Amino acid sequence: ETGVTQTPRHLVMGMTNKKSLKCEQHLGHNAMYWYKQSAKKPLELMFVYSLEERVENNSVPSRFSPECPNSSHLFLHLHTLQPEDSALYLCASSQDWAGNQPQHFGDGTRLSIL
Amino acid sequence: AQKITQTQPGMFVQEKEAVTLDCTYDTSDPSYGLFWYKQPSSGEMIFLIYQGSYDQQNATEGRYSLNFQKARKSANLVISASQLGDSAMYFCAMRGRTNFGNEKLTFGTGTRLTIIP
Repeated sequence: ETGVTQTPRHLVMGMTNKKSLKCEQHLGHNAMYWYKQSAKKPLELMFVYSLEERVENNSVPSRFSPECPNSSHLFLHLHTLQPEDSALYLCASSQDWAGNQPQHFGDGTRLSIL
Repeated sequence: AQKITQTQPGMFVQEKEAVTLDCTYDTSDPSYGLFWYKQPSSGEMIFLIYQGSYDQQNATEGRYSLNFQKARKSANLVISASQLGDSAMYFCAMRGRTNFGNEKLTFGTGTRLTIIP
């Protein structure tokens, strides 16, 4: 059983829909991350939360809105997305947001925008 | 700025042979770390091995070892005695800093490894 759980695994939505991606980590970590993985491109860091505070917003459009209600949960709220937003969205956590600790990833949510 | 380069988009290797996946990096930070992750077709990213820039010895984890050549700025992953389950995408990543001075991982474009029975 993975220590980082993402739901849903797959999501198909129209450009006018509102949906949310959920991430939960059971590892007692203090930092959580959202990444976007598009075909043939490196993973792109979107957001970093450390101790429930956002410490990094990597120039992500406002149609993506993160929320971290506690250190175990991270959400990505989606609104009015574009076809180019279709990608695999990966959540990760690490003990702290700096240092040598590896990041532990979830299985991802594969998002398709119609 | 940090940069990770993986020049092998795909590799085919016979089962039980050793395989080397290339990774070169560029950074101006004297302190950095290098990670390798495996991503099977199911999507999850699995941490394999870590090498710190000041580590004197090459990192090893079971069948995985990291051939760290600091002067050449390379951190190749070596998988010994490859198995069918090793078929996956492999990503090299480096701990670096964002434009805001925060730490982040920079990933390469990955190498798709296919093990042939």
